[in-house]
Amino acid sequence: GEDVEQSLFLSVREGDSSVINCTYTDSSSTYLYWYKQEPGAGLQLLTYIFSNMDMKQDQRLTVLLNKKDKHLSLRIADTQTGDSAIYFCAARLDKLIFGTGTLLAVQP
Amino acid sequence: GAVVSQHPSRVICKSGTSVKIECRSLDFQATTMFWYRQFPKQSLMLMATSNEGSKATYEQGVEKDKFLINHASLTLSTLTVTSAHPEDSSFYICSASRLAGVTDTQYFGPGTRLTVL
Repeated sequence: GEDVEQSLFLSVREGDSSVINCTYTDSSSTYLYWYKQEPGAGLQLLTYIFSNMDMKQDQRLTVLLNKKDKHLSLRIADTQTGDSAIYFCAARLDKLIFGTGTLLAVQP
Repeated sequence: GAVVSQHPSRVICKSGTSVKIECRSLDFQATTMFWYRQFPKQSLMLMATSNEGSKATYEQGVEKDKFLINHASLTLSTLTVTSAHPEDSSFYICSASRLAGVTDTQYFGPGTRLTVL
């Protein structure tokens, strides 16, 4: 089955760019998603990308997809302390398969 | 748009009691809702997929008699944890599927923290 992996932790300084990486194993994934989870809360959909796209930009967020390497990344420009959260990537097959989550810590 | 609510947000109950959690899509109709379970510092694990008017589809290893799901309308699904035990303590999150562009996207509720004493 699909396996989605992420690095566990990323620390950046306020104002810097953050890049969160994700790898998946099933090339038939149709859509790939990024969700944000703040402490004690549900998941907030940030953005998604169709598998035939290479890049999608939405304000401070840029998603890059390397389908050949099955690698997905989320870049957050001008990272703010309010961006501190856990970020999950998810791959869509017949259901959503979530990655392990990356804790982003933004230092003031 | 695409707001999903859950009630209650937090519940503490005694071992052996049953707990019902509601999931509502507030501003859209969702033919499909999903129930997830999340352990501390872990990812979400899909428990079941719920379609309005039909029986839920449970993932492997999830006891359907313990986790009862009812999807009575296009805006409401309920999860009942029957005869709860301390090992059922967890964060339960629902999501509702909504067509957005060419894909249906899942929008998540804020979660329910269940603690079984």
